[in-house]
Amino acid sequence: EAQVTQNPRYLITVTGKKLTVTCSQNMNHEYMSWYRQDPGLGLRQIYYSMNVEVTDKGDVPEGYKVSRKEKRNFPLILESPSPNQTSLYFCASSLQQGLSPLHFGNGTRLTVT
Amino acid sequence: KQEVTQIPAALSVPEGENLVLNCSFTDSAIYNLQWFRQDPGKGLTSLLLIQSSQREQTSGRLNASLDKSSGRSTLYIAASQPGDSATYLCAVRPRNSGGYQKVTFGIGTKLQVIP
Repeated sequence: EAQVTQNPRYLITVTGKKLTVTCSQNMNHEYMSWYRQDPGLGLRQIYYSMNVEVTDKGDVPEGYKVSRKEKRNFPLILESPSPNQTSLYFCASSLQQGLSPLHFGNGTRLTVT
Repeated sequence: KQEVTQIPAALSVPEGENLVLNCSFTDSAIYNLQWFRQDPGKGLTSLLLIQSSQREQTSGRLNASLDKSSGRSTLYIAASQPGDSATYLCAVRPRNSGGYQKVTFGIGTKLQVIP
């Protein structure tokens, strides 16, 4: 089954404790992206990747890191999480071409205390 | 900068009613527009994708239209059911000369269908 898989689904952590949220897709998509969703603000892009070893900042990259060492994986790293990073996070992927649809993971609910 | 607006922010209708959700965007240079459904605390499920060259797409009780020149799209839901209750988001993928296409999302319309 074609899908985007995020783990974990729920995560509670404390300020400053490094964490990684994983994202994997099995559709051979070149494009992958991370979003955060907050009430009243909608979906905002954190980082995106056009292909292996090609990543760039989105609208709200501060406090986040990403890597794209393999085509299928695009982990999101929070080196020193803070309470303002409490949010619902989504990973998405698509083919490179502009005509293709976005496919989303099921989301990761992160709480930083 | 592309801006996407969805009106209304919330909508409550009785079961069986036909309804229309609206999405407007400011820059008509787009590859496509995609409608999603999101249940509370869940991921986004793709409903319909309309390419810029198309006027509409249909899937079951759903019909999405696109008027690129006026920067508008509508999602029509026929014979609404309580199971249609969710937040509906539209997303626009811009057409530009660079390799990167930043998808812009609306904030969504929260739909409640009352039995």
